[in-house]
Amino acid sequence: GEDVEQSLFLSVREGDSSVINCTYTDSSSTYLYWYKQEPGAGLQLLTYIFSNMDMKQDQRLTVLLNKKDKHLSLRIADTQTGDSAIYFCAEEKASNYQLIWGAGTKLIIKP
Amino acid sequence: SQTIHQWPATLVQPVGSPLSLECTVEGTSNPNLYWYRQAAGRGLQLLFYSVGIGQISSEVPQNLSASRPQDRQFILSSKKLLLSDSGFYLCAWSVRGSQLTGELFFGEGSRLTVL
Repeated sequence: GEDVEQSLFLSVREGDSSVINCTYTDSSSTYLYWYKQEPGAGLQLLTYIFSNMDMKQDQRLTVLLNKKDKHLSLRIADTQTGDSAIYFCAEEKASNYQLIWGAGTKLIIKP
Repeated sequence: SQTIHQWPATLVQPVGSPLSLECTVEGTSNPNLYWYRQAAGRGLQLLFYSVGIGQISSEVPQNLSASRPQDRQFILSSKKLLLSDSGFYLCAWSVRGSQLTGELFFGEGSRLTVL
């Protein structure tokens, strides 16, 4: 099938690291994306990784890609209250460049 | 800079009534335009996309239609709403010809409740 799977919720303490996981299905996907949606708002592109990379780091964000297992993760270091949001994983299909979206992981920050 | 406006932000409509959601992009030309629906606990579902004026591709058969009367205007419509049309609708645009085809810029969304 074309499912992109994510856990629906993740709860972490402020200051800890958050790791949001995603599995995808198309081994020929070219790019994989992480989008962030704050409450009541549209989505914003957070980061992306090209399929020939294993890791990408951007300030507090680290993306890890395991192509063999079709597993993608987003690590947020030193999680802050402003990181509270829903995080969507999406894969770009090589055949038609369409995005297949996960259901989103709601990140809950505990004080 | 580029901006995207989507309205209305919230809408409560009776079953059987018509619908019109409008989306306008500013600060860019020839964008690709998209309408998505977001249901709770589910990923975004692509409803329509457009690569140019009058060019609409429908991804799923449904009670909705889309039109692109101008380069930067995208309209989502229905003649008769169903209860199942309730949801959060997102308009988005992307740069045509971009290598990063999955880089979408989203509007703030329109929450539709059909009663």
